[in-house]
This record gives sequence, structure tokens and C-alpha cells, in this order.
Amino acid sequence: GNSVTQMEGPVTLSEEAFLTINCTYTATGYPSLFWYVQYPGEGLQLLLKATKADDKGSNKGFEATYRKETTSFHLEKGSVQVSDSAVYFCAPNDYKLSFGAGTTVTVRA
Amino acid sequence: DGGITQSPKYLFRKEGQNVTLSCEQNLNHDAMYWYRQDPGQGLRLIYYSQIVNDFQKGDIAEGYSVSREKKESFPLTVTSAQKNPTAFYLCASRVQGANYGYTFGSGTRLTVV
Repeated sequence: GNSVTQMEGPVTLSEEAFLTINCTYTATGYPSLFWYVQYPGEGLQLLLKATKADDKGSNKGFEATYRKETTSFHLEKGSVQVSDSAVYFCAPNDYKLSFGAGTTVTVRA
Repeated sequence: DGGITQSPKYLFRKEGQNVTLSCEQNLNHDAMYWYRQDPGQGLRLIYYSQIVNDFQKGDIAEGYSVSREKKESFPLTVTSAQKNPTAFYLCASRVQGANYGYTFGSGTRLTVV
């Protein structure tokens, strides 16, 4: 099946810092890839997606590029805010998916 | 707006009692899922259903039961056989296909005392 390996947290940053969360995938073929975000006490929300190699997904200042040559889908944001404090999950498309622990990001003012 | 509704947000039960968590979606999604999340841990798949009247066990189905009598509804019962039921439960749904992600509800926090 399809799977991802995501960098472990926690990650603590100051406001306006650059954020990168690494994600690499193992898959048969090239499945769609997703980043989800979970704010405290809430469910997960789809943050962005890429459906094929070289696609770039973007939303709320976050970006991720589907790179076939490095099998990666790293999440980046150039200037984080306190409101970006959350848990971030990378996931491939799959009909039966258990999400990993995600990466906890804390942004300090 | 379409979405997934989980109720209640917080639920307290005494040890040894069964409890049912509600999940309703109006997205017309075929597939629905139940996950359990413990502090600092990932989401573990309990049960999933790809069509009405059919469901499959996930990774941690013991002590749980589900039904899928309607496309819109996928209730989860936490039985007294579940040894450690206190957790955050998330319901999700999905369109079958390559380019669609999962849509999640806002969760139910179950506390067994």
C-alpha cells in the first residue's frame, strides 16, 4: 500500500520564522498526496493537495511540491504566525488510511 | 453547507456502559470512517465502510461496533469490552477516487469514569 514517513516533532518556532516539515512517500505509482492540519480540539482539515508529479499545492501561505525524483512532499511556509500552531499530517491517497502521529508545530509570539 | 456532524462534542459515561457516538454527513460521500486519537498519538482506524450495509474492521476494532444502514449515517458504539475507551473519536468521509481527500468531523471526546 501507499505510505508516508513524516518528520517527528515537536517543532517550536518564533513568529515570522520559516517552517519546513519533511514528508517522503512510498507508493506504487504516483498517488495524490495531501497535507492536513489539526487545530487544538478539532478534527483534521485538508490544507492542500497535489495530484501528480511536479504539482504544487498551496493554501493559507503553505506550499508543497510533489517531487518524483526525491519521493517527497515537504510542507513549507515562509513566515509563520501564532495561529499556525497545530498538528500537521502528510498522507497519500488511500481508501483505508491510518494517519501517523503528525508533526506538532508551536509558534511563539 | 455540506459537512460532517459529530455529536455530542463531549460525552461522559460510567465504566461498563455501552455508548454510541453519532456521525452524519450530507456530502453524498460513499465511504465513511471512524478513528481514535490518543494524546500525542496518531489517528488509528477503528472501522470503515465503503458502501451502505457493508463495513470492515480497521486496525483496532476490538471493543467497538458500527452499522451503516444509511449512506448519511455511520454510528459507532463503544462497548464495555473496550478496555480503555477514553479518547478523542473522529469520523471522516471520502469520495471514492484518486484526487479526493478525507473530510473530518469536529470529533467527540469520550471520557469514561
